Amino acid sequence: RKEVEQDPGPFNVPEGATVAFNCTYSNSASQSFFWYRQDCRKEPKLLMSVYSSGNEDGRFTAQLNRASQYISLLIRDSKLSDSATYLCVVSNTGGFKTIFGAGTRLFVKA
Amino acid sequence: EPEVTQTPSHQVTQMGQEVILRCVPISNHLYFYWYRQILGQKVEFLVSFYNNEISEKSEIFDDQFSVERPDGSNFTLKIRSTKLEDSAMYFCASTPTTPSGSNQPQHFGDGTRLSIL
Repeated sequence: RKEVEQDPGPFNVPEGATVAFNCTYSNSASQSFFWYRQDCRKEPKLLMSVYSSGNEDGRFTAQLNRASQYISLLIRDSKLSDSATYLCVVSNTGGFKTIFGAGTRLFVKA
Repeated sequence: EPEVTQTPSHQVTQMGQEVILRCVPISNHLYFYWYRQILGQKVEFLVSFYNNEISEKSEIFDDQFSVERPDGSNFTLKIRSTKLEDSAMYFCASTPTTPSGSNQPQHFGDGTRLSIL
């Protein structure tokens, strides 16, 4: 089983749509969780940290289920500028090793 | 906003040559990381570094690779004898405090594209 697994997509959605991405991780001792976005040939940029209670930042909502080792990201009211690859990121205990998922590609079209 | 800077943005090197990639982390950050991303593939962890020593490294980070903080600001990745498969984008990242349990995200530089000929 991959350490961090994501549906590669691509997801093709119209502007204004709601889209959800899922991620599973294999190490039950993982401690910190994040969603990053990466534009083509650019560095990963933090979208949001993911907390056990779930958290929201504007149109973005992240959920963590430690029992199922599952993380999700919901994007509401998609914009053209949301087109990117979304990376699920997990840090191990101690946080010194960070594992990236392969990413889910999102295309938002007008 | 302070940022992580990496130089050069693009490095072209002959196979077998040594290469040094440079990073200047954000000034009050204490934890440093190197990642690589082969074109079309995922971001892969190479090494983390704290207090002048390696905290953790991946299977990729073999004897060809080394890291150093030669002064108070630079953090370097050296590849001793480059191979064709070392061609990739290399990202440096840093965090200010212990990553442990703090949900502390990493701040990434914009990368060095390494091309081995």
